[in-house]
Amino acid sequence: EPEVTQTPSHQVTQMGQEVILRCVPISNHLYFYWYRQILGQKVEFLVSFYNNEISEKSEIFDDQFSVERPDGSNFTLKIRSTKLEDSAMYFCASSISTGNTIYFGEGSWLTVV
Amino acid sequence: KQEVTQIPAALSVPEGENLVLNCSFTDSAIYNLQWFRQDPGKGLTSLLLIQSSQREQTSGRLNASLDKSSGRSTLYIAASQPGDSATYLCAVRWNTGKLIFGQGTTLQVKP
Repeated sequence: EPEVTQTPSHQVTQMGQEVILRCVPISNHLYFYWYRQILGQKVEFLVSFYNNEISEKSEIFDDQFSVERPDGSNFTLKIRSTKLEDSAMYFCASSISTGNTIYFGEGSWLTVV
Repeated sequence: KQEVTQIPAALSVPEGENLVLNCSFTDSAIYNLQWFRQDPGKGLTSLLLIQSSQREQTSGRLNASLDKSSGRSTLYIAASQPGDSATYLCAVRWNTGKLIFGQGTTLQVKP
């Protein structure tokens, strides 16, 4: 069964460093998302992406965050200057349309020290 | 404000028991609702998707129901097994593309 794949599975970074999290969505999907889950808290929406542009973003997704679809298969989340509070599991997800099932990847654990 | 709540936060049952997990949401004008399973430290596995026009969906031993007017959904698990132990998340989509998640119910099924 097709799946969303994410790399790296775990990354430790120093505060202030840039981080890029990578995702390969399911191949025929058109909508892409990033969510995050801080340890012990709810899964939170960050951003949705369709037709090569951001369609919606949350208050969390400030100027430190950016997303890109550099080619036909990858979807990336960049955090420009990481803070301690960015430590979380980051999930990439994709769907065929907004009305269909959203499929999530296994996540990337980000630890900022 | 659009919010999703799941009660209880944790549940422990003996193997073989049928059980119900609850999800409630503010604002009944939902687009759809999705149930997920999350194992510790892992990703989210989609279990069932219910569109706003549907009353229930079934997959194997799982049955999800939706009552929009009361702002509730339930996930029924029949004949529970130790392998069902996980956190179950309810997520609602309103008029935008994003999902809003509940805090989850952590289920332990004891052999």
